[in-house]
Amino acid sequence: KAGVTQTPRYLIKTRGQQVTLSCSPISGHRSVSWYQQTPGQGLQFLFEYFSETQRNKGNFPGRFSGRQFSNSRSEMNVSTLELGDSALYLCASSLVLGVTEAFFGQGTRLTVV
Amino acid sequence: GQQLNQSPQSMFIQEGEDVSMNCTSSSIFNTWLWYKQEPGEGPVLLIALYKAGELTSNGRLTAQFGITRKDSFLNISASIPSDVGIYFCAGQSGETSGSRLTFGEGTQLTVNP
Repeated sequence: KAGVTQTPRYLIKTRGQQVTLSCSPISGHRSVSWYQQTPGQGLQFLFEYFSETQRNKGNFPGRFSGRQFSNSRSEMNVSTLELGDSALYLCASSLVLGVTEAFFGQGTRLTVV
Repeated sequence: GQQLNQSPQSMFIQEGEDVSMNCTSSSIFNTWLWYKQEPGEGPVLLIALYKAGELTSNGRLTAQFGITRKDSFLNISASIPSDVGIYFCAGQSGETSGSRLTFGEGTQLTVNP
C-alpha cells in the first residue's frame, strides 16, 4: 500500500510569489492535515480537510489556504510569500476525522529568497 | 492553547543503553502518538496509544498513556545506531479538534557506537 505522497519535494520561490503544494493521502484515507515545521516553532498545525471541507484551522494568516478534492487529494496554497514562510510543509493522512493514527509524507521543503 | 512539554531536549548515549523520554501537558488528550523523524524526512509513526493507562510495545520501544491523560513516556531498550533521530510526542483531543495533532518540541537522540 502506497504511503502519503507529497510533491514537489523541494521548491525555491521569491518573496511575493505564490506556491501550491500537493498531497496524495494513503488509499482509502479521507482526512488530510497540513503542518508547518520550522526550527524555531517546531511542528504547527495549519488545517485539516475531510470530505472536501475544511474542518479545523490553525493559527496562520489568510495567505495560507487549502482545498481537498473528491479523491481526497489535497493542495495547500501560500500567497504573497514571505521569508518566514521558509519551512518543511508536511501532510498527514488519516482514515477518518477524529482520534486516529496519522501518517506523514516526506514533506515539501520550501525556501523563500 | 494546548502545549506539550517534552523532555529531555537531547540525549547522547552509548549503544546498548536504554533511553527514556516523556511528554506532559496542561490539557487532557484522548490519544498519544509517538513519532521518529530523520533528517530530510517526514515523521514516522512508532506507537499510538488510545486509552489511559495503556502500555504498548513495538519491538524495543515501549510507550505508556498516563492515567491522568496529561502525560506519556517512551522507552527504547538496548539502543542501536539506527535509533538516531528526533522523537516527537503528539496528542489528539479529538471531538471538535478532528485529527489535529499538538506536538512536543522533540528529543534529539544521538547513539555512539
